[in-house]
Amino acid sequence: DTGVSQNPRHKITKRGQNVTFRCDPISEHNRLYWYRQTLGQGPEFLTYFQNEAQLEKSRLLSDRFSAERPKGSFSTLEIQRTEQGDSAMYLCASSLIDLGEQSYTFGSGTRLTVV
Amino acid sequence: QKEVEQDPGPLSVPEGAIVSLNCTYSNSAFQYFMWYRQYSRKGPELLMYTYSSGNKEDGRFTAQVDKSSKYISLFIRDSQPSDSATYLCAMSGGYQKVTFGTGTKLQVIP
Repeated sequence: DTGVSQNPRHKITKRGQNVTFRCDPISEHNRLYWYRQTLGQGPEFLTYFQNEAQLEKSRLLSDRFSAERPKGSFSTLEIQRTEQGDSAMYLCASSLIDLGEQSYTFGSGTRLTVV
Repeated sequence: QKEVEQDPGPLSVPEGAIVSLNCTYSNSAFQYFMWYRQYSRKGPELLMYTYSSGNKEDGRFTAQVDKSSKYISLFIRDSQPSDSATYLCAMSGGYQKVTFGTGTKLQVIP
């Protein structure tokens, strides 16, 4: 198992374009989370899935953001009509329900720059 | 007021020093307390995990939780240059959504 994998590592896009990020969790983990981290701040929760069901969304997740986890495996996070304020590191994490927070494992993130 | 408060530093110490990192929080529902280490341009890595109040030791690292004061600490003994990173405190009410502090940037000088 190679841990949580995120692609791409870096993305530069023009304002107004759509972008999509992918997260492949640890294979046996049934929960998957998306966080956003801006410079000098800690990660902020965006949304999480248990298997394929999206169970909670933060108010940070505006209607331009959508996340999916088809078949309960990998997940995608799409941002439509990107704005400069969307520039951040987008982190994915996964965990096992039975082990809870101690099994929380983060990927290396996708760094988005909107120009 | 943020739910979790953490001094952003930076904190600079000589190699071999004992480092003390702290966070305060306001949400009484938090039951699980974690410390993560984050190197530049990498994801956070779990260092210490504690349930409820008490101490936990793992090698050079000791985590303390005082729920009555809503205060948590991480101590690093015999600090090494490789410990230079940002340290994030984090906590959860058991519903697996984790709330993070802003992180403290630590530099250990050889």
